[in-house]
Amino acid sequence: GAGVSQSPSNKVTEKGKDVELRCDPISGHTALYWYRQSLGQGLEFLIYFQGNSAPDKSGLPSDRFSAERTGGSVSTLTIQRTQQEDSAVYLCASSLTAIANYGYTFGSGTRLTVV
Amino acid sequence: AQTVTQSQPEMSVQEAETVTLSCTYDTSESDYYLFWYKQPPSRQMILVIRQEAYKQQNATENRFSVNFQKAAKSFSLKISDSQLGDAAMYFCALKIQGAQKLVFGQGTRLTINP
Repeated sequence: GAGVSQSPSNKVTEKGKDVELRCDPISGHTALYWYRQSLGQGLEFLIYFQGNSAPDKSGLPSDRFSAERTGGSVSTLTIQRTQQEDSAVYLCASSLTAIANYGYTFGSGTRLTVV
Repeated sequence: AQTVTQSQPEMSVQEAETVTLSCTYDTSESDYYLFWYKQPPSRQMILVIRQEAYKQQNATENRFSVNFQKAAKSFSLKISDSQLGDAAMYFCALKIQGAQKLVFGQGTRLTINP
């Protein structure tokens, strides 16, 4: 597509439920990133995918968080047993290559609210 | 480890005036890239300007320019002739050559007063 597409745009869920957030990167971009933006905070790195290589999961805050990228394109971030502290905007970005010296292209994010 | 600090949580400026947003960073690497991103209420992060650390010349994009002081590890953004559409959160970011991740600052919320 023309840009990075994320869905849903907003999600309200009850504490303890599982949620799935979707990211569709720009066609041909091999690198895909997930960041979390909590209220009043900067962007916190979560996970990075590059082609068929093993993902860099070093930013995932707990084992309740997981992500996959199917066919080198669409990615899904899953949060199990959601907690109120998981409330944040989850941003996805992609770049043409892993080098990304020209920065990323971001989606508009998913605002997750855990009640 | 790399860190990026934006010491101004909020800034405001009158329309048509000039405003400077501050950013400092810390890294032991010598080859890196610096970015300013704008995040309007739509939430989509938009790249405003980019600077390569090995270039001494400050980057400029229309009304946006940077003051890059490598020795001081400072990377401020100047917005000239501020417009209402410039109102947004602005994030400073650092990427080390060879690394994949961008490291972001906490952001500065810029308000433009008509």
